[in-house]
Amino acid sequence: GNSVTQMEGPVTLSEEAFLTINCTYTATGYPSLFWYVQYPGEGLQLLLKATKADDKGSNKGFEATYRKETTSFHLEKGSVQVSDSAVYFCALSDSGGSNYKLTFGKGTLLTVNP
Amino acid sequence: NAGVTQTPKFQVLKTGQSMTLQCAQDMNHEYMSWYRQDPGMGLRLIHYSVGAGITDQGEVPNGYNVSRSTTEDFPLRLLSAAPSQTSVYFCASSSRGSNQPQHFGDGTRLSIL
Repeated sequence: GNSVTQMEGPVTLSEEAFLTINCTYTATGYPSLFWYVQYPGEGLQLLLKATKADDKGSNKGFEATYRKETTSFHLEKGSVQVSDSAVYFCALSDSGGSNYKLTFGKGTLLTVNP
Repeated sequence: NAGVTQTPKFQVLKTGQSMTLQCAQDMNHEYMSWYRQDPGMGLRLIHYSVGAGITDQGEVPNGYNVSRSTTEDFPLRLLSAAPSQTSVYFCASSSRGSNQPQHFGDGTRLSIL
């Protein structure tokens, strides 16, 4: 079956530091890949997505590239802010169109200090 | 622009009680899903629906029941609450297509004593 593995947290950074959160996946075919963000006390919000190999998703300074050869979708940001403190989830939906059942990683808690 | 609305936001139950978590979406999405979020476990799928009148089980369906009589609503019922069901519950909806993201509600935090 499908699975998503993302780096264990928590991750603590100083403001303006570079961020990488690793995500690798196992799936058959060509899944779509997503990063969601969850701010304290809130639901999950879509941060970015990529739907085919070599696609780069980007939003709010965050980027992730769909690498089929390494089955990875690492999240990066060049300069984090305190407001980026949140839990980040990597997720996939399989190529069969069953996006009603995303497979999620366990989440990575990011804390950015001023 | 409501999106996905969940009620209540918080609930405390006693073991053995039953209750219904409500979920409504106003985006005319075909697909709706319920997840539970537990520390260190990510989100796990409980039940899902691909349209009115059609539901199916996800990864952790035991102790929960769902129905979908309209496109907009997808309630989750706890039949006899157990402490193991203490969790945060999220409802999500999406339109058809593997590249379409799910849209999430703000969650219901449920405690079973």
